[in-house]
Amino acid sequence: DTEVTQTPKHLVMGMTNKKSLKCEQHMGHRAMYWYKQKAKKPPELMFVYSYEKLSINESVPSRFSPECPNSSLLNLHLHALQPEDSALYLCASSQDPGSDGYTFGSGTRLTVV
Amino acid sequence: GNSVTQMEGPVTLSEEAFLTINCTYTATGYPSLFWYVQYPGEGLQLLLKATKADDKGSNKGFEATYRKETTSFHLEKGSVQVSDSAVYFCALSKGFQKLVFGTGTRLLVSP
Repeated sequence: DTEVTQTPKHLVMGMTNKKSLKCEQHMGHRAMYWYKQKAKKPPELMFVYSYEKLSINESVPSRFSPECPNSSLLNLHLHALQPEDSALYLCASSQDPGSDGYTFGSGTRLTVV
Repeated sequence: GNSVTQMEGPVTLSEEAFLTINCTYTATGYPSLFWYVQYPGEGLQLLLKATKADDKGSNKGFEATYRKETTSFHLEKGSVQVSDSAVYFCALSKGFQKLVFGTGTRLLVSP
């Protein structure tokens, strides 16, 4: 298995909702990442998990809460989001932190209404 | 800090034309260099990579050579197809530092 699987592919949520994005990989990668991508922009790093521990938080608002239950799973919990948080959320993994070549999932297209 | 500069798009070509997308970088030492491709509505796919000077990465007819002297990693393809229409991102990483992306270049190939 050489894929990163993200669910759901599309999500529409209200500003008072709580939802979660899920990411799964079975490549034995020990680093996992959340990125946010706005239209016509490059991905922006949000969080890095290294060996199941949060190692980088790029000053992301607390309405985004990451979780790494085990080495194969990464979640992003969403609460009280704003319309400007609408974006494509990408999960990625790599063999080790900083190792060459990330594998990206196909993303979750999030719309906040 | 580390940075990547890509040529502005869109790049518009006819099928079978030659493609060059310029990418230059700023970094100390020897970063690893990557090209990622993003097709409409999808995530990013690693297209090719090079990890040391003079390395040539290649995949699906695309090539890029790591040029330390010019700090460049230009993407080339000899004959583009309509199916190559996508956004191409140049990126670098160094050690345990995060992946740094360029702004992306949109390629539009017409029949």
